[in-house]
Amino acid sequence: DGGITQSPKYLFRKEGQNVTLSCEQNLNHDAMYWYRQDPGQGLRLIYYSQIVNDFQKGDIAEGYSVSREKKESFPLTVTSAQKNPTAFYLCASSIPRGWPRASNQPQHFGDGTRLSIL
Amino acid sequence: SQQGEEDPQALSIQEGENATMNCSYKTSINNLQWYRQNSGRGLVHLILIRSNEREKHSGRLRVTLDTSKKSSSLLITASRAADTASYFCLGSNTGKLIFGQGTTLQVKP
Repeated sequence: DGGITQSPKYLFRKEGQNVTLSCEQNLNHDAMYWYRQDPGQGLRLIYYSQIVNDFQKGDIAEGYSVSREKKESFPLTVTSAQKNPTAFYLCASSIPRGWPRASNQPQHFGDGTRLSIL
Repeated sequence: SQQGEEDPQALSIQEGENATMNCSYKTSINNLQWYRQNSGRGLVHLILIRSNEREKHSGRLRVTLDTSKKSSSLLITASRAADTASYFCLGSNTGKLIFGQGTTLQVKP
């Protein structure tokens, strides 16, 4: 079955440490997204990518970095510059490349990674 | 970004009753989508309504969109305990994705 896999499910970070969250999809989707969700809140867009080797900042990109070297993979690094990283991180994908078509398609989500600070 | 607003923030009903959630937004949109999130899980797409549509049905779900009022509603009929979840609206236009803050629905058996 096709889907999106996020790993790990739980992640702990020490102060000053960078951590990388994995997101892999086998849906053959062009577009991929990273969101942050805080308790009782909606989702906020961190980064998105419409095509391999291209990505754009979302609303809260500071302290995060991404890469898109393969269509299937869109890892997110939470850097030490992100002062409040504790949150639930969700990865999503959708079919077509390019706005506005990508925004007209349903997004498929992984089950998230919960990041906490030690 | 300008997040959408949803109300109520929390809703508790008995099984078999209908549940209505509302979403308001500030900018113009091309379409509006509704998603469901079970606790600790990712979001699952429920239904999409385009800006030129006023109402859409899918099973026990009914979605309306009023672009003049910049609002949408999601109605779940004949609710079941398994409908217990958080529900989010997502409005999108060129280059922007705007999630609402969600309504937490509890359906009591």
